[in-house]
Amino acid sequence: NAGVTQTPKFRVLKTGQSMTLLCAQDMNHEYMYWYRQDPGMGLRLIHYSVGEGTTAKGEVPDGYNVSRLKKQNFLLGLESAAPSQTSVYFCASLSRLSGRARHNEQFFGPGTRLTVL
Amino acid sequence: SQKIEQNSEALNIQEGKTATLTCNYTNYSPAYLQWYRQDPGRGPVFLLLIRENEKEKRKERLKVTFDTTLKQSLFHITASQPADSATYLCAPLYNQGGKLIFGQGTELSVKP
Repeated sequence: NAGVTQTPKFRVLKTGQSMTLLCAQDMNHEYMYWYRQDPGMGLRLIHYSVGEGTTAKGEVPDGYNVSRLKKQNFLLGLESAAPSQTSVYFCASLSRLSGRARHNEQFFGPGTRLTVL
Repeated sequence: SQKIEQNSEALNIQEGKTATLTCNYTNYSPAYLQWYRQDPGRGPVFLLLIRENEKEKRKERLKVTFDTTLKQSLFHITASQPADSATYLCAPLYNQGGKLIFGQGTELSVKP
């Protein structure tokens, strides 16, 4: 199993450009998440999905859109990038929330480092 | 909305000592609370989960406690080693339709 993979690993954008970050998981997990991490801010939840075809807003959703057309993929889109979106983006997946501890473990991808000039 | 607070200052300790990290939350107690480890340039890795009705959980040199009265979880690493140096994150699970948020993390540095 590859676990959680993210594409690309690095990207530099100019202000106003658009791009899509791809997250893929091969563990048949129901839940998927996008976080951003900035120095001193910790992980902040952007959007998440509790199943194929569903999405929901997290703590910092403005300026981002997501789609979960297939269970194994979760896409994060930036329609018009801004310098404030310079960050490291992490995708995570989770089997499902249940009484079993092993279901509640989040698996993270390696991250995408995005710079917006 | 829920707030999660961890020691914002880095924790520096000597090898062999016990490291204790704190996670405080506001409002209502989570059903579970998780702890993760994150190394520079990498994604977080799951360490331990403790349930609301559990007071303590152990895994090798790691111990987590959960006090719903104080609204606090403590994370202990006994006999610490330089390899334990990393940032440690806590994440309460509220079963709010799958929404998961994290504390800002505490950086631990273990000196030989």
